[in-house]
Amino acid sequence: NAGVTQTPKFQVLKTGQSMTLQCAQDMNHEYMSWYRQDPGMGLRLIHYSVGAGITDQGEVPNGYNVSRSTTEDFPLRLLLAAPSQTSVYFCASSLIAGHEQYFGPGTRLTVT
Amino acid sequence: SQKIEQNSEALNIQEGKTATLTCNYTNYSPAYLQWYRQDPGRGPVFLLLIRENEKEKRKERLKVTFDTTLKQSLFHITASQPADSATYLCALADGQNFVFGPGTRLSVLP
Repeated sequence: NAGVTQTPKFQVLKTGQSMTLQCAQDMNHEYMSWYRQDPGMGLRLIHYSVGAGITDQGEVPNGYNVSRSTTEDFPLRLLLAAPSQTSVYFCASSLIAGHEQYFGPGTRLTVT
Repeated sequence: SQKIEQNSEALNIQEGKTATLTCNYTNYSPAYLQWYRQDPGRGPVFLLLIRENEKEKRKERLKVTFDTTLKQSLFHITASQPADSATYLCALADGQNFVFGPGTRLSVLP
């Protein structure tokens, strides 16, 4: 099993550009989530999904979109990148909500 | 307002001693609490989960306690080793959301 994979590892965007961060898991987990991690702020939940076709907002959803068309994939879209979105982004999955989460290696995003 | 705090940003201890990390929360009623380890440049790794009806959970040199009256969890690493140096995060479930604490960076000195 590859576990949770994320691409790209690093990305630099200009303000106003858009991009999609990819996340995939091969563990047949129902629950998937996206976090951002900033110094001194810890991990903050952006969006989550409890199964294919179902998504919901977390603590900091503004500026981000998600969709879950398959159990395996949970992409995160930045529509109009802003410098405030400079962060490290982690995708995670768990069998169901509340179980131990498996994290991907992260994507380091810089918006200039 | 809701808050989850970890006792200190950084903790230094001598090898062989017991490290104790604290997680306090306010205005949550979690059914369970989790602890994760994070190494620099990597994603967090799950360590332990403790439920509200469990007072204590152990795994090898790790021990977690959960006091719902004090709204506090303690995380202990006994016989600490330099390889235990990392940031440790507590997380609680708020419905289907997870809320993470800011983390404590532990350094075990040889």
